Amino acid sequence: DIQMTQSPSTLSASVGDRVTITCRASQSISSWLAWYQQKPGKAPKLLIYKASSLESGVPSRFSGSGSGTEFTLTISSLQPDDFATYYCQQYNSPCTFGPGTKVDIK
Amino acid sequence: QITLKESGPTLVKPTQTLTLTCTFSGFSLSTSGVGVGWIRQPPGKALEWLALIYWDDDKRYSPSLKSRLTVTKDTSKNQVVLTMTNMDPVDTATYYCAHNIEIPLFDYWGQGTLVTVSS
Repeated sequence: DIQMTQSPSTLSASVGDRVTITCRASQSISSWLAWYQQKPGKAPKLLIYKASSLESGVPSRFSGSGSGTEFTLTISSLQPDDFATYYCQQYNSPCTFGPGTKVDIK
Repeated sequence: QITLKESGPTLVKPTQTLTLTCTFSGFSLSTSGVGVGWIRQPPGKALEWLALIYWDDDKRYSPSLKSRLTVTKDTSKNQVVLTMTNMDPVDTATYYCAHNIEIPLFDYWGQGTLVTVSS
């Protein structure tokens, strides 16, 4: 099984901050990596797929990069609506989610 | 517009079998490439992928839960059913179904249904 890790587990930030979350896979997954945003009591929302492709309707302040085993999600200027938990997911073989990174208010 | 909704019991007893139904609209499971997946989330914990079924009846299961899971589809009713045997309190979670195409990338999700396992 492919294991996913994320760091940090919690991130405290302010509106306007640049935020970066890292996701690592236990073996190479090429670019088969997605990022989801989840707010309390809600289903996850797909933000990015294939490591760096922005899902339709997602603000351009979100971006993704990486390949192989190391990936990052960056929010260029944190907005009030962005305080949430973020999960990475590999879909190379077949599917595993990371443990999540909670972004909260500093 | 694609929508999915999970239904089933909110409370099951340990050792019982859980049966959840995902009823969807806006797409067909007879369309090439289309799939429906199941994902769960224990309270306060991370997401865990459980199973997938595709338009051609191809099925995939989480290796760690494979022996307990069965996923089936009823194309005429626009439904997918997940059964999980031998339920345990650690299986208490919100269970989601979600749409995907060809790969386990979930672009539309149901609202989720909380299942509690307790005697």
